[in-house]
Amino acid sequence: QVQLQESGPGLVKPSQTLSLTCTVSGGSISSGSHYWSWIRQPAGKGLEWIGRINTSGSTNYNPSLKSRVTISLDTSKNQFSLKLSSVTAADTAVYYCGNFGVGVWGKGTTVTVSS
Amino acid sequence: DIVMTQSPDSLAVSLGERATINCKSSQSVLYSNNKNYLAWYQQKPGQPPNLLIYWASTRESGVPDRFSGSGSGTDFTLTISSLQAEDVAVYYCQQYYTTPITFGQGTRLEIK
Repeated sequence: QVQLQESGPGLVKPSQTLSLTCTVSGGSISSGSHYWSWIRQPAGKGLEWIGRINTSGSTNYNPSLKSRVTISLDTSKNQFSLKLSSVTAADTAVYYCGNFGVGVWGKGTTVTVSS
Repeated sequence: DIVMTQSPDSLAVSLGERATINCKSSQSVLYSNNKNYLAWYQQKPGQPPNLLIYWASTRESGVPDRFSGSGSGTDFTLTISSLQAEDVAVYYCQQYYTTPITFGQGTRLEIK
């Protein structure tokens, strides 16, 4: 079965760019008509969908973050990535990658924005 | 954006009793294919959300049958027929009818 694993720096300085990668195992990232999403959750708070990319590379972003978000796909590595620019403390959260269509989420990675 | 509103925010139920969580969407999530684009998730501390129900009432493989989903259009319900200790968690509804995909604020379920 498909498994997802997030990776990237756990600490990012304010105004810099947060970069995370999600590695897909147990299946091909480009098979079927899947959407691959990023979601985040500040400590003790609810879930916020950041955006998604499909197997053709088409993206949808949350309008609340759209100006700062880029999601990309690397089929050769079976990975997809998130870049969030100009981060502030409000971007501190657990970041998950997921595929809602098959009900699979990664375990999540904590990113703290602090100098 | 479609706003998802859950009620109550928290709930305490005795073991073996029924637990009911409601979710209301600000607009219909019923598509022309007669499917409601509504899912329910369970999240335990330190874990990612776990999919319980999709299409509003289809139980994910491996989910105990004490969990059921119902509703259509804008009003939905997650029911746990006989609460077990391992069901203590926060529950979220999610609409995937349109982007941005949105979640309810969560309902914390505890044992009374």
